[in-house]
Amino acid sequence: KNEVEQSPQNLTAQEGEFITINCSYSVGISALHWLQQHPGGGIVSLFMLSSGKKKHGRLIATINIQEKHSSLHITASHPRDSAVYICVSGSRLTFGEGTQLTVNP
Amino acid sequence: KAGVTQTPRYLIKTRGQQVTLSCSPISGHRSVSWYQQTPGQGLQFLFEYFSETQRNKGNFPGRFSGRQFSNSRSEMNVSTLELGDSALYLCASSSFASGANVLTFGAGSRLTVL
Repeated sequence: KNEVEQSPQNLTAQEGEFITINCSYSVGISALHWLQQHPGGGIVSLFMLSSGKKKHGRLIATINIQEKHSSLHITASHPRDSAVYICVSGSRLTFGEGTQLTVNP
Repeated sequence: KAGVTQTPRYLIKTRGQQVTLSCSPISGHRSVSWYQQTPGQGLQFLFEYFSETQRNKGNFPGRFSGRQFSNSRSEMNVSTLELGDSALYLCASSSFASGANVLTFGAGSRLTVL
């Protein structure tokens, strides 16, 4: 069992849909990162959170430390959101396998 | 404010050679971490340097090494290259410890080993 597991692995949505990507981790952590990787490899850090909820534009990230679970939500999805989304356990910098999101117009 | 700069962006080596990659962090950032990304293994943590000291190390063989200079620039070296070392190598910088601070990634160095 991987220390960090994401679901789903692949997700296809229509423009405007609400999207949720989940991340579960097995080892206690101090922080969790959500990253976005576009084709070509460039990685952008979306959130780093250790408790509660953070919001940036149409993106919302939540974390429940007791349940060892985090979610990334995208509201009003857009084709430009198409990318791979990766969660990372902060303590040991362990990466989830990523969620390939495709948003169709 | 300049971003994280990685050089070279692309390189081709042959088996048995060695390679050195460079990472210049954002000004003021003291932590640099390195990652390997392959299609089969995904993203994996290599090591982290803070104030010229290795703070954390992933599960990679000793052929993979790194260092950090007093200006926070970091280099990683891979000796005796193998075909399986072909990958995108990414570095990230942060103000302090990589795990608990926002990471800013470079564009990566894509290594092909023939």
